[in-house]
Amino acid sequence: SQTIHQWPATLVQPVGSPLSLECTVEGTSNPNLYWYRQAAGRGLQLLFYSVGIGQISSEVPQNLSASRPQDRQFILSSKKLLLSDSGFYLCAWSFRVLRDFNYGYTFGSGTRLTVV
Amino acid sequence: KQEVTQIPAALSVPEGENLVLNCSFTDSAIYNLQWFRQDPGKGLTSLLLIQSSQREQTSGRLNASLDKSSGRSTLYIAASQPGDSATYLCAVIDSNYQLIWGAGTKLIIKP
Repeated sequence: SQTIHQWPATLVQPVGSPLSLECTVEGTSNPNLYWYRQAAGRGLQLLFYSVGIGQISSEVPQNLSASRPQDRQFILSSKKLLLSDSGFYLCAWSFRVLRDFNYGYTFGSGTRLTVV
Repeated sequence: KQEVTQIPAALSVPEGENLVLNCSFTDSAIYNLQWFRQDPGKGLTSLLLIQSSQREQTSGRLNASLDKSSGRSTLYIAASQPGDSATYLCAVIDSNYQLIWGAGTKLIIKP
């Protein structure tokens, strides 16, 4: 069966410091990978998605970047954090093949980032 | 542009009641619809996924229905329990294979 791991669970970082959040998927190959952010009291916002190694699409302009160095690894980064980067970050995966989208999306347990 | 709406935004009911959460979407061209649960400060747990060709899915005390033509889905929770308290999110996978989210229904089950 497929599993998704996301870490760390919580993170407190000072303004201007770098960020690296990691997400890995097990039990499948060639997944689509996603980074979402959920600000306090607000809905889920898609930040980045990837359909393959080195292929990153950005949905919103921002202070963050994403990378996919391996098929099942997705990393969210920032060189210098802003206060506005605080939020709950969720990684997700889905099958890439059209028919397999009937299996839906699976989410990680999330990272609570507080920038101070 | 696909839009997903969830009604009500919040719901508080006594334990043991059956309840219905509603989700509507504006464009019937969807691949599937997924219901998630989110506990405070936690990630999303997938509850049920209904394929576009299906009418309903059941898992334990949960039953989700889909009427594509009218752009509606309902999540029925039978014999509610305090442990069902959470935010329930509805999302459709649209024709571009992207998840379009509703704002969620915050459910509180009173013991």
